[in-house]
Amino acid sequence: QVQLVESGGGVVQPGRSLRLSCVVSGFTFSSYGMHWVRQAPGKGLEWVAVVWYDGRIKYYADSVKGRFSISRDNSKNTVYLQMSSLRAEDTGVYYCATTGGPSGPMDVWGRGTTVIVSS
Amino acid sequence: NFMLTQPHSVSESPGKTVTISCTRSSGSIASHYVQWYQQRPGSAPTTVIYDNDQRPSGVPDRFSGSIDSSSNSASLTISGLKTEDEADYFCQSYDSNNSYVFGTGTKVTVL
Repeated sequence: QVQLVESGGGVVQPGRSLRLSCVVSGFTFSSYGMHWVRQAPGKGLEWVAVVWYDGRIKYYADSVKGRFSISRDNSKNTVYLQMSSLRAEDTGVYYCATTGGPSGPMDVWGRGTTVIVSS
Repeated sequence: NFMLTQPHSVSESPGKTVTISCTRSSGSIASHYVQWYQQRPGSAPTTVIYDNDQRPSGVPDRFSGSIDSSSNSASLTISGLKTEDEADYFCQSYDSNNSYVFGTGTKVTVL
């Protein structure tokens, strides 16, 4: 079945960088868009970024634009989130999720990886 | 950009029906599909309703979705409430400026 496994989270100081990975199995990765969604402790869901099938089209939430970069490697069935200039408010659980189209649902989600930005 | 506002919490007894609203602040609720996600404590979200009123395979037919243009809102209804339905529920829709908006979230408690 479809499985998404995130990794790369950890504790990082403000202003530093971190790269998250999400490895996908069980379906044709190159046919789907991929989202990153985050959740601060005790808070709701916040969309972060999306990358479409071939990796050329990417969109970002205003809160991360210019600091985060999403990319994908279809040969490795992996989507990445490069995070730089990290702030305390970036702390949370980061989930990757599949999508079949721009206005479609986030069909399948990973279990998430935790990022803590703290000095 | 628009916001999606949900009630903070709802509670009901087992076997009863709850309805969660999701009100769009500006623009038409019908302009793009509304999705609904369930998040049980300590778990990742899962889709319970997609494209306004469609149920993924494996989701019980006790879950149903709808939109109402007159109130500019979407609704998720859970009938025959079970203890396993106790979770947070989030609506979500696409914004034409290529961003994605989540609702504020509703905690469902089964008394």
